Amino acid sequence: QQQVKQSPQSLIVQKGGISIINCAYENTAFDYFPWYQQFPGKGPALLIAIRPDVSEKKEGRFTISFNKSAKQFSLHIMDSQPGDSATYFCAASYLNNNDMRFGAGTRLTVKP
Amino acid sequence: EAGVAQSPRYKIIEKRQSVAFWCNPISGHATLYWYQQILGQGPKLLIQFQNNGVVDDSQLPKDRFSAERLKGVDSTLKIQPAKLEDSAVYLCASSLVQTGYTIYFGEGSWLTVV
Repeated sequence: QQQVKQSPQSLIVQKGGISIINCAYENTAFDYFPWYQQFPGKGPALLIAIRPDVSEKKEGRFTISFNKSAKQFSLHIMDSQPGDSATYFCAASYLNNNDMRFGAGTRLTVKP
Repeated sequence: EAGVAQSPRYKIIEKRQSVAFWCNPISGHATLYWYQQILGQGPKLLIQFQNNGVVDDSQLPKDRFSAERLKGVDSTLKIQPAKLEDSAVYLCASSLVQTGYTIYFGEGSWLTVV
């Protein structure tokens, strides 16, 4: 079942620092790679996503870096804030359906 | 715009009992999903509907789980009989179309089987 491997399992960062979460996938047919943010008691919410035809996508403080040859992608959170404290999931899916395969999640804590 | 609505939010049942969860997707969303999220893990797709037809139920334990989406809107997920390992959050999600990529999740229904 697990086709997306995510690390680290947990991450503690100081306010203003950079948070980096990594994911690796197995199936080269995947062509959509989103990151979801989940706060306690809430459902996951789409944060940012990338297609494999680009190597980087930036939205505000959030950047996805994508390495197609290595089958890896990562989320960078610049200037991390306490409000960013949440669990982050990477995922991958196919062009012709939304069967999303999720990583196991990274619990991020940003200390003030 | 109203989000994906789910109920009940919390449920505690004994093993071998039955439980049902209800989901109302975002208005106009043709595709509806049920995911199971076990504590400490990422969500796992159980079943995907396109309107009122099943697109993918390959990971649904059909001996105890069933789901339906009557009239292509609301959906119900049922577990009967429940096992201890069914303790999880059951997330309903919807998207505008099957290949629309952006999936919107509800807040989930928390199930504890004792």
